[in-house]
Amino acid sequence: DTEVTQTPKHLVMGMTNKKSLKCEQHMGHRAMYWYKQKAKKPPELMFVYSYEKLSINESVPSRFSPECPNSSLLNLHLHALQPEDSALYLCASSQELRELNYGYTFGSGTRLTVV
Amino acid sequence: AQTVTQSQPEMSVQEAETVTLSCTYDTSENNYYLFWYKQPPSRQMILVIRQEAYKQQNATENRFSVNFQKAAKSFSLKISDSQLGDTAMYFCAFMNYGGSQGNLIFGKGTKLSVKP
Repeated sequence: DTEVTQTPKHLVMGMTNKKSLKCEQHMGHRAMYWYKQKAKKPPELMFVYSYEKLSINESVPSRFSPECPNSSLLNLHLHALQPEDSALYLCASSQELRELNYGYTFGSGTRLTVV
Repeated sequence: AQTVTQSQPEMSVQEAETVTLSCTYDTSENNYYLFWYKQPPSRQMILVIRQEAYKQQNATENRFSVNFQKAAKSFSLKISDSQLGDTAMYFCAFMNYGGSQGNLIFGKGTKLSVKP
């Protein structure tokens, strides 16, 4: 398995809703990442997990809460989002935090719309 | 701070022709990686090619090759024999070697359209 799988592919949520994004990989990668990508913009890093521990939080608002239950799974819990949080949320993984022989493997993303 | 600049927001090329996408970057580091990623309408970011800064030889992957000029901090992507499936957004990206953050820094992207 050489893929990063993200679910759901599309999500519409109200500003008072609680939802979660899921990311899964079975490549044995020990670093996993959440990126946010607005339309026609490059991805921006949100969180980095290394060996299931949060390594980097790029000053992301607390309404985004990441979780790494095990080495294969990365979640992003969403609560009280704003319309400006609407974006494509990309998950990625790499063998190690600083091992880049193969770069990152990205998922296809979750298109989030906040109404 | 490192920055990546892609000066061509959009480009088009005829099928079977060759096209070159430009990328420049700014860093004070000596060891780093450079990447080109492709993002088609399907949204998945796909690694096209990578280059380690300590290697002088330009990387090639089938129809894709780079022109890496370290002194000029330039990292262009050449696509030969362009195919319709090459239509996508192309992002140039940079990462420090051995950096503690593991953060890929992306340029703003070049939208490439391959025309039949």
